[in-house]
Amino acid sequence: GDSVTQMEGPVTLSEEAFLTINCTYTATGYPSLFWYVQYPGEGLQLLLKATKADDKGSNKGFEATYRKETTSFHLEKGSVQVSDSAVYFCALSDLRTTSGTYKYIFGTGTRLKVLA
Amino acid sequence: EAQVTQNPRYLITVTGKKLTVTCSQNMNHEYMSWYRQDPGLGLRQIYYSMNVEVTDKGDVPEGYKVSRKEKRNFPLILESPSPNQTSLYFCASRPRGGAPNEQFFGPGTRLTVL
Repeated sequence: GDSVTQMEGPVTLSEEAFLTINCTYTATGYPSLFWYVQYPGEGLQLLLKATKADDKGSNKGFEATYRKETTSFHLEKGSVQVSDSAVYFCALSDLRTTSGTYKYIFGTGTRLKVLA
Repeated sequence: EAQVTQNPRYLITVTGKKLTVTCSQNMNHEYMSWYRQDPGLGLRQIYYSMNVEVTDKGDVPEGYKVSRKEKRNFPLILESPSPNQTSLYFCASRPRGGAPNEQFFGPGTRLTVL
């Protein structure tokens, strides 16, 4: 079945450091890929998405490129801030052939802590 | 403001005492889902609904019930809660569409079953 694998956290960085959070997926169809962010005490919010191979999603300085050849969607940011401290979830959405609806599969989440 | 609301935000209960967690969205979305979030397991879907009176099981439906009598509301019912249902629960909604759309999440309900 479909699955999403993310690097285990926590990831601890100093402010202005470069961030990479790895995400790989397995899917039977042609999924769309997402990164969601969860700030403390809140629900998940969409950070960025990509719907087909070679698409690059970007938002708030974060980027991720849909790489079909390596089945990856790694999240990157050139210079992190303390306010980026949160849990980041990689997710895919693929078509349920039985019902014709889209299913979502989430990774386990990676906690990022940025120190001033 | 477009939002998904859940109540209560925190709940401590005892084994076997029926409870309901409410979820409401004001975006006129067709699709609604319930997830539970557990350490090391990420988010797992409990139930989802494609529209009023249309619901289906997700990946971990055992011990839960749902109903969708109105488009905006999607309550999660635990008829006889057990300690293994201690978790953080999220409701989410999204519009119907030909392509997978962003999900909008509620703030979460932290449930402890003693």
